[in-house]
Amino acid sequence: TQLLEQSPQFLSIQEGENLTVYCNSSSVFSSLQWYRQEPGEGPVLLVTVVTGGEVKKLKRLTFQFGDARKDSSLHITAAQTGDTGLYLCAGTDNTNAGKSTFGDGTTLTVKP
Amino acid sequence: KAGVTQTPRYLIKTRGQQVTLSCSPISGHRSVSWYQQTPGQGLQFLFEYFSETQRNKGNFPGRFSGRQFSNSRSEMNVSTLELGDSALYLCASRRGTSEAFFGQGTRLTVV
Repeated sequence: TQLLEQSPQFLSIQEGENLTVYCNSSSVFSSLQWYRQEPGEGPVLLVTVVTGGEVKKLKRLTFQFGDARKDSSLHITAAQTGDTGLYLCAGTDNTNAGKSTFGDGTTLTVKP
Repeated sequence: KAGVTQTPRYLIKTRGQQVTLSCSPISGHRSVSWYQQTPGQGLQFLFEYFSETQRNKGNFPGRFSGRQFSNSRSEMNVSTLELGDSALYLCASRRGTSEAFFGQGTRLTVV
């Protein structure tokens, strides 16, 4: 069974601070996705990383895929209140018909 | 291009009843997956359908079932509802083994 562990589970910071969220597994994934979800809504895809060591930037968000494709991180620079939400990582296994495994999420609260 | 559409958005049912939820995937996406999300349990995988066939299944009781139609639209059914079935039910579609795109979810409340 593939498992993804996210840390921290909860994070509360002040606007303007930087933060990093981690997603770790003992399994290798074909690709990894990061989603952001607001209460009562479905998760929205932020990014997909495919290549080991890959780094993608989306404005103030930086995503990194580990060299061995087992872990990933999401770094937010100068957090804003609009970044508040649940961040989910998901690993996709193409050897198993693209089955996705989700982490339990990191709840981020950015206070003004 | 339209996203994943789930109907209804909100639903209130009584214990013992059954419910059917609907999901229309993004055009061209043949895979549809269903998830249950509760505050304490996170996102739990229910099942995945591809070309009208169940391809993967999570660890849920037989009261939870689904199907997929030839146009890739999918329905999920829960019979003999229990209070613990109250949750946000999410549907996601994908093309092949690419990333999944989610609908807005159906909030089911069982009273």
